[in-house]
Amino acid sequence: GIQVEQSPPDLILQEGANSTLRCNFSDSVNNLQWFHQNPWGQLINLFYIPSGTKQNGRLSATTVATERYSLLYISSSQTTDSGVYFCAVQTRGSTLGRLYFGRGTQLTVWP
Amino acid sequence: NAGVTQTPKFQVLKTGQSMTLQCAQDMNHEYMSWYRQDPGMGLRLIHYSVGAGITDQGEVPNGYNVSRSTTEDFPLRLLSAAPSQTSVYFCASSLRRGGDTQYFGPGTRLTVL
Repeated sequence: GIQVEQSPPDLILQEGANSTLRCNFSDSVNNLQWFHQNPWGQLINLFYIPSGTKQNGRLSATTVATERYSLLYISSSQTTDSGVYFCAVQTRGSTLGRLYFGRGTQLTVWP
Repeated sequence: NAGVTQTPKFQVLKTGQSMTLQCAQDMNHEYMSWYRQDPGMGLRLIHYSVGAGITDQGEVPNGYNVSRSTTEDFPLRLLSAAPSQTSVYFCASSLRRGGDTQYFGPGTRLTVL
């Protein structure tokens, strides 16, 4: 199956700092999503972004499909941003329809 | 819209017991799926459905059954629970199988003793 690699694996920030999370994938995709798994285990959908750029408040994401990577930007981080950020992709023509998840970036934001 | 709902949130079973994890969505989504999340293994697809009456196996289907009698509901049944099924289970749905946002339920944390 498709390989999804996320970096960095861990990130520790102080409140107010900015960060960039990266997702590389090994094949063409028709779906790329960024999720935040909060400390309670819920998977919160942040962006559906198979290509282009989107912004939602302090978060923005860019996917360059031709170069097979996506970036998630978090600005002015807050303690509530802590958790694991997952990138997940779906390949074109997938019969299973499954999302392939990366291993995630564990983000800790200190006050 | 309630989105994707799952019940129960937590469950403890003894080996050999059976149970059903419930999943429902109110977005009229065609595609629904079940994943399990385990440390070091990520999220793996158990079963999926592309519409009422149509289900198929994912990558780790053994020990689980599903059915889809309505568009809204997609229950996951464990017929004889084993400790290896201790995991966090997520239900997800999307409008179509490919190329659409997938929405996840809050998860069910299952422990099998």
